[in-house]
Amino acid sequence: DGGITQSPKYLFRKEGQNVTLSCEQNLNHDAMYWYRQDPGQGLRLIYYSQIVNDFQKGDIAEGYSVSREKKESFPLTVTSAQKNPTAFYLCASSIGTGAPYEQYFGPGTRLTVT
Amino acid sequence: QKEVEQNSGPLSVPEGAIASLNCTYSDRGSQSFFWYRQYSGKSPELIMSIYSNGDKEDGRFTAQLNKASQYVSLLIRDSQPSDSATYLCAVNYLGNEKLTFGTGTRLTIIP
Repeated sequence: DGGITQSPKYLFRKEGQNVTLSCEQNLNHDAMYWYRQDPGQGLRLIYYSQIVNDFQKGDIAEGYSVSREKKESFPLTVTSAQKNPTAFYLCASSIGTGAPYEQYFGPGTRLTVT
Repeated sequence: QKEVEQNSGPLSVPEGAIASLNCTYSDRGSQSFFWYRQYSGKSPELIMSIYSNGDKEDGRFTAQLNKASQYVSLLIRDSQPSDSATYLCAVNYLGNEKLTFGTGTRLTIIP
């Protein structure tokens, strides 16, 4: 089965701790994305990557970091510098970036920081 | 700032009727348009994409694009309770790597 997997589904952390969210895809897609979704708001882009070993900041990159060492994997680290980390985090992938490529989403990770 | 606007709803439609969801966008350079369905607590699922003016039909879903008026709509025929979800409109611009999402319209199908 081809698809995007994210783990864990739910994650709880104490304030001040860094946490890493996993995203893996076996669709052979070049591009991968991380979004954040808060209640009543649209999806906001955190980081994206078009090719291995390269990534770009999205609209809300502060307090987050990523790596792209393998085509299949694009982990996101939520650092202690992120002021409001509690949110639903969504990973997506597409064949390429920009129009007309369709993005497909993983199941998401719901992060709660207390 | 490129924007995508949707009425947040909730939009209530009787079962079996046609649900009509609308989306407007600000940039005339927009090239690709997508509709995602998101059930409560789940991730968005791509249901329609449209790239040229006119209608595109897929089963009970029809996407309509009017670039001159800068709007894209989604029609759901024979609405079912399982269609109750939030529908997200997303727009892409030629030469731009990023999708811009609207905040979504919450649709409720009333049995």
